[in-house]
Amino acid sequence: DTEVTQTPKHLVMGMTNKKSLKCEQHMGHRAMYWYKQKAKKPPELMFVYSYEKLSINESVPSRFSPECPNSSLLNLHLHALQPEDSALYLCASSQVASGTLPPGQYFGPGTRLTVL
Amino acid sequence: AQSVTQPDIHITVSEGASLELRCNYSYGATPYLFWYVQSPGQGLQLLLKYFSGDTLVQGIKGFEAEFKRSQSSFNLRKPSVHWSDAAEYFCAVGAGGNEKLTFGTGTRLTIIP
Repeated sequence: DTEVTQTPKHLVMGMTNKKSLKCEQHMGHRAMYWYKQKAKKPPELMFVYSYEKLSINESVPSRFSPECPNSSLLNLHLHALQPEDSALYLCASSQVASGTLPPGQYFGPGTRLTVL
Repeated sequence: AQSVTQPDIHITVSEGASLELRCNYSYGATPYLFWYVQSPGQGLQLLLKYFSGDTLVQGIKGFEAEFKRSQSSFNLRKPSVHWSDAAEYFCAVGAGGNEKLTFGTGTRLTIIP
């Protein structure tokens, strides 16, 4: 199984809602990532988990809260979002970087989020 | 800090013609380079990657890329494009021992019959 799956595919939420995005992989990867991608822009890294521990937080606002319950699952909890947070949210996974070789990352199809 | 430049925002190629997408990187040490493709509304798919060794790298879907240290380039090529190759292509650079990737701004490829 070489897939990263993400649910839901689309999500519309109001600024007062609380919702969660889910990501799952069964490739045995121990690094997982959240990216945000605005239209016609490259992905921007938000968070990196390595061995289920948060290793990188790219100064993301606290209204985004990541969680890695186990080695296969990654969640992104959303609360009090702003309309400018509307974007495609991509999850990725990889082998953990060995210290010399950064691994290639494998991406899911993304969740298209619209904040009203 | 590493950076990536993709000088071409949009390229149009006839089906069956050859393709070259340009990528220039900036990094102080040996770079680790990747090409990804993204179809509309989809996630990114890894086409190929370069770490070391042979400077000509073969990838999936008939793509290849050549690493040229003297030109700080990692251009993507395909000898004959298919309509299904129409997509956005991103070049990315990674630092050694680090999961962080820096992406270029992307090149949109249009295929005409």
